[in-house]
Amino acid sequence: TQLLEQSPQFLSIQEGENLTVYCNSSSVFSSLQWYRQEPGEGPVLLVTVVTGGEVKKLKRLTFQFGDARKDSSLHITAAQPGDTGLYLCAGGGNYGQNFVFGPGTRLSVLP
Amino acid sequence: SQTIHQWPATLVQPVGSPLSLECTVEGTSNPNLYWYRQAAGRGLQLLFYSVGIGQISSEVPQNLSASRPQDRQFILSSKKLLLSDSGFYLCAWSLRGLSEQYFGPGTRLTVT
Repeated sequence: TQLLEQSPQFLSIQEGENLTVYCNSSSVFSSLQWYRQEPGEGPVLLVTVVTGGEVKKLKRLTFQFGDARKDSSLHITAAQPGDTGLYLCAGGGNYGQNFVFGPGTRLSVLP
Repeated sequence: SQTIHQWPATLVQPVGSPLSLECTVEGTSNPNLYWYRQAAGRGLQLLFYSVGIGQISSEVPQNLSASRPQDRQFILSSKKLLLSDSGFYLCAWSLRGLSEQYFGPGTRLTVT
């Protein structure tokens, strides 16, 4: 069974600071997705990374897939209170088999 | 555009009562469908997924069941709820052959 670990588990920062959260596994994934979830709502897909070493940018968010496709990172520049939420990474088979979510990083950006 | 609906939004049920949660998807055909449960502040646990009408795969043994009576309808059921069934239930869909999943708004279930 493929497992995903995320760190840190919790992160509280001031508005304007930069941060990086990590998603790690001992298994190789064909792709990884990042989602953001706000309290009481379903997760929202942010990005999919497919190629080892790939870097994708979404405004102030930068996503990177490790060269060996076992890990990924999410970097946020100049965090804003609107970035607050639970950040989840996920990966696995295309048909649900062995598709797993990490436990998430709960980010709080204080104004 | 595609949309996904879940209802009810919140539900409080006594132990031993039955459960039926419904999920419907609009704007796409032949989607893969998923049911997840999320404990408070934690990641998602995949419960069931379906690649077609009547085709259900269970990831975790439990007292829950799922059915897909129509292409874009996915139902989560239980005959007798347990306290441990409390949680946030999420339905999701994906296109065939792609891994990206799109989630509904969720149902908050409290078993008392």
